[in-house]
Amino acid sequence: DVKVTQSSRYLVKRTGEKVFLECVQDMDHENMFWYRQDPGLGLRLIYFSYDVKMKEKGDIPEGYSVSREKKERFSLILESASTNQTSMYLCASSLIGGGPYEQYFGPGTRLTVT
Amino acid sequence: QKEVEQDPGPLSVPEGAIVSLNCTYSNSAFQYFMWYRQYSRKGPELLMYTYSSGNKEDGRFTAQVDKSSKYISLFIRDSQPSDSATYLCAMGGTASKLTFGTGTRLQVTL
Repeated sequence: DVKVTQSSRYLVKRTGEKVFLECVQDMDHENMFWYRQDPGLGLRLIYFSYDVKMKEKGDIPEGYSVSREKKERFSLILESASTNQTSMYLCASSLIGGGPYEQYFGPGTRLTVT
Repeated sequence: QKEVEQDPGPLSVPEGAIVSLNCTYSNSAFQYFMWYRQYSRKGPELLMYTYSSGNKEDGRFTAQVDKSSKYISLFIRDSQPSDSATYLCAMGGTASKLTFGTGTRLQVTL
């Protein structure tokens, strides 16, 4: 069974804090993704990584950075959290190939920035 | 205009009904089409995966793709209360990325 785990289910942070969200997958997948999910806006891609130390911006990268030092781990960093970053954050992983393979999602982290 | 359009619902049906969920899209490069189910406070999980046009059936679920109309559907037969969830369509081309619809919330009532 593929497992994608995220470090926290719920997180409350203050404006201006640096926030780390961690994601670990156990299926040796090359691709890893970070999304945020907001009502009425659906899933929006923040960043993705297709290999260790490789990253590509998604649709909404502003205010975020990522780190992938090991194949199984992909971190999302909010350098200075703001209230408009209050959201559900979802991590996913997939195999790499000639098209999009199934993405396996973690349970999500609900982040509240006050 | 969004690349993928999906009615957010909510859609409420009685147990046993046939449910039809739909998405339209504008990008002709999309070749891979998926449906995900997301229960409250959980991550999405894949339900159906189809390539190009045609139908695919899996138990009570049928996915249809009409590339000429840029329209995809998910049918659920004999709907159950356990089918109550948000259903997300997703699609992609030759790259690894997917583009998701906003999701349709389905409620199946007893």
